[in-house]
Amino acid sequence: KQEVTQIPAALSVPEGENLVLNCSFTDSAIYNLQWFRQDPGKGLTSLLLIQSSQREQTSGRLNASLDKSSGRSTLYIAASQPGDSATYLCAVPGSSNTGKLIFGQGTTLQVKP
Amino acid sequence: EAGVAQSPRYKIIEKRQSVAFWCNPISGHATLYWYQQILGQGPKLLIQFQNNGVVDDSQLPKDRFSAERLKGVDSTLKIQPAKLEDSAVYLCASSLEGRVQYFGPGTRLTVT
Repeated sequence: KQEVTQIPAALSVPEGENLVLNCSFTDSAIYNLQWFRQDPGKGLTSLLLIQSSQREQTSGRLNASLDKSSGRSTLYIAASQPGDSATYLCAVPGSSNTGKLIFGQGTTLQVKP
Repeated sequence: EAGVAQSPRYKIIEKRQSVAFWCNPISGHATLYWYQQILGQGPKLLIQFQNNGVVDDSQLPKDRFSAERLKGVDSTLKIQPAKLEDSAVYLCASSLEGRVQYFGPGTRLTVT
């Protein structure tokens, strides 16, 4: 059974700092991994999707890496801004391959001005 | 392009009452998902539809939860009777042929 874990659960950093969020998964037989952002009271917004054949995916100040063999992914945020404050969730497809996503519990990030 | 619409946005009910949530997916999206997100946790899939057929409802508490998507477009999720532990955000998502999922804003349910 696939399980997804995110560490840390919460993170507070001063503005301008570079930071890394971690995601680990127990079953390495995944075909992609996705990072989402969730603002308070809002739904989820997809940030990056990494296919299993890729090792990295970049969008602006965000860079996500994937190491299937070790069951790990990281989300790197460069030059953090107060607007980056949100909860970040990683998710992988369920083993049934129906499109169902298995989510981690999320990392809540606060960037202080 | 309009996103996934959900209503109501907030609902407060007493335990043992019933409640229903509505979702209108992105036009043309055949796959529709209902997720439950308890505070401090990631979303958990309750039920997945492909058009008006159920693909996965393995984690749906069928003694109290039901969902339908009669015409393969809109969907409703019902809880009857509600328990305190049902307090959560209920997220609806849709996708085109099982690809990237687009999420609605969610319905925050509080059961007192």
